[in-house]
Amino acid sequence: AQSVTQLGSHVSVSEGALVLLRCNYSSSVPPYLFWYVQYPNQGLQLLLKYTSAATLVKGINGFEAEFKKSETSFHLTKPSAHMSDAAEYFCAVSDPGNTPLVFGKGTRLSVIA
Amino acid sequence: DAMVIQNPRYQVTQFGKPVTLSCSQTLNHNVMYWYQQKSSQAPKLLFHYYDKDFNNEADTPDNFQSRRPNTSFCFLDIRSPGLGDAAMYLCATSRDRARGTDTQYFGPGTRLTVL
Repeated sequence: AQSVTQLGSHVSVSEGALVLLRCNYSSSVPPYLFWYVQYPNQGLQLLLKYTSAATLVKGINGFEAEFKKSETSFHLTKPSAHMSDAAEYFCAVSDPGNTPLVFGKGTRLSVIA
Repeated sequence: DAMVIQNPRYQVTQFGKPVTLSCSQTLNHNVMYWYQQKSSQAPKLLFHYYDKDFNNEADTPDNFQSRRPNTSFCFLDIRSPGLGDAAMYLCATSRDRARGTDTQYFGPGTRLTVL
C-alpha cells in the first residue's frame, strides 16, 4: 500500500526566504502525487499535482514541486515566502486506478515578519 | 462559481444525540467523499460514493453512516456521537475515481463539537 511521509510537522521561515516542505512516498507502482494547502478552519485546496508528465510541476501561488523517482521524493518549494503562505500543507499519493488518496500528516508553515 | 458547500460550518451536539452533516456540490461530479480530520492530523477517509455506489473504508465505525439521495447532495449521519468523534468533517468531490489523477475538491468543513 502506498504511503507518504512529511518530514517536519512544523517549519518556520522568514518572510522572503525559501520555503522547502519535504515529502517522501512509498509506492509499489509509479504514483500520482499531490500537494494540498489548508488555511485555518477551511477545507483543502489543491496547490499542484504530478501525474507522470513533466517532473517539475508548477502550481498556484508561486509554489512548485519536483518529482524525483530515485529519491522517492516530491518536495514543495517556493523561492520567497509571503505572510499569506502560513497554513498547513499536506502531501498526498494515489496509485493509478481505483484507489483512495492517502494523505501525509501535514506540515504547518509559519512565516515570520 | 462551482463549489462544494457544507452546512452547518459549526455543529454542537450532545453525547449520544444523533447528528447529520450536509454537503452539496454544483460541480456535477460523480464521486463524493467524507473525511474526518482531528486536530493536527491528516484527513482520514470514512467512505465515498461513486454515483450511487457506496464504499465504506474498512476501519470506519458503524456509528457513521451516509446517504446520497441525488448527485448534488450527500449526508453524514453520526448515530450516537461520542467525545472521540469531535473533529472537522470534510466533504470532497471528484469527477471520477477510476483515474488516480482526478483532483478532489473540498468543502470548507463542518467542525463538530460533542458535549
